[in-house]
Amino acid sequence: RKEVEQDPGPFNVPEGATVAFNCTYSNSASQSFFWYRQDCRKEPKLLMSVYSSGNEDGRFTAQLNRASQYISLLIRDSKLSDSATYLCVVSKPDAGNNRKLIWGLGTSLAVNP
Amino acid sequence: EAGVTQFPSHSVIEKGQTVTLRCDPISGHDNLYWYRRVMGKEIKFLLHFVKESKQDESGMPNNRFLAERTGGTYSTLKVQPAELEDSGVYFCASSPDGSYEQYFGPGTRLTVT
Repeated sequence: RKEVEQDPGPFNVPEGATVAFNCTYSNSASQSFFWYRQDCRKEPKLLMSVYSSGNEDGRFTAQLNRASQYISLLIRDSKLSDSATYLCVVSKPDAGNNRKLIWGLGTSLAVNP
Repeated sequence: EAGVTQFPSHSVIEKGQTVTLRCDPISGHDNLYWYRRVMGKEIKFLLHFVKESKQDESGMPNNRFLAERTGGTYSTLKVQPAELEDSGVYFCASSPDGSYEQYFGPGTRLTVT
């Protein structure tokens, strides 16, 4: 079983739509959670961290359910520029305080005019 | 402030040859990470430096890969001899001490033929 699982999509949505991505992780000791965005042939960039209480940044809302080991990302009023791959990422510091990131495969989003 | 830089951006080599990838982290970032994405697979952790010391190299595929970080500044990742399965995009990321947020370089796309 993969450590971080995501539906690879692709999700094709019209401009203005609301779209939700889900992710599950297998290691209950995971402590930090993130959504990264990656454009084609570019490096991944941090979109937002995910906190236990849920957090919002403009049109983006992230939620975490530790009991179900489930993370979500909601994008409202989607724009053409939101087209990208969204990567679910978790991290668990080890005894040496290494904060390596464990990645999902990513979910591809295409926002259409 | 300059971001993480990587060199070269692309490298095409033949099986059995040697290639050295370079990463310059953001100035002042003690933590430096190497990751790799093979086509169709998740981004995978390779290793983590704290300053010049290897904190965790559990993700290094085998002893054909050698990473160094001289003086705790830039890092190199050498593959010798390269095999076909080493093809992929190699990302470097850095972060300041105590932070989970990692800043990624643009990656080096390695093709072994």
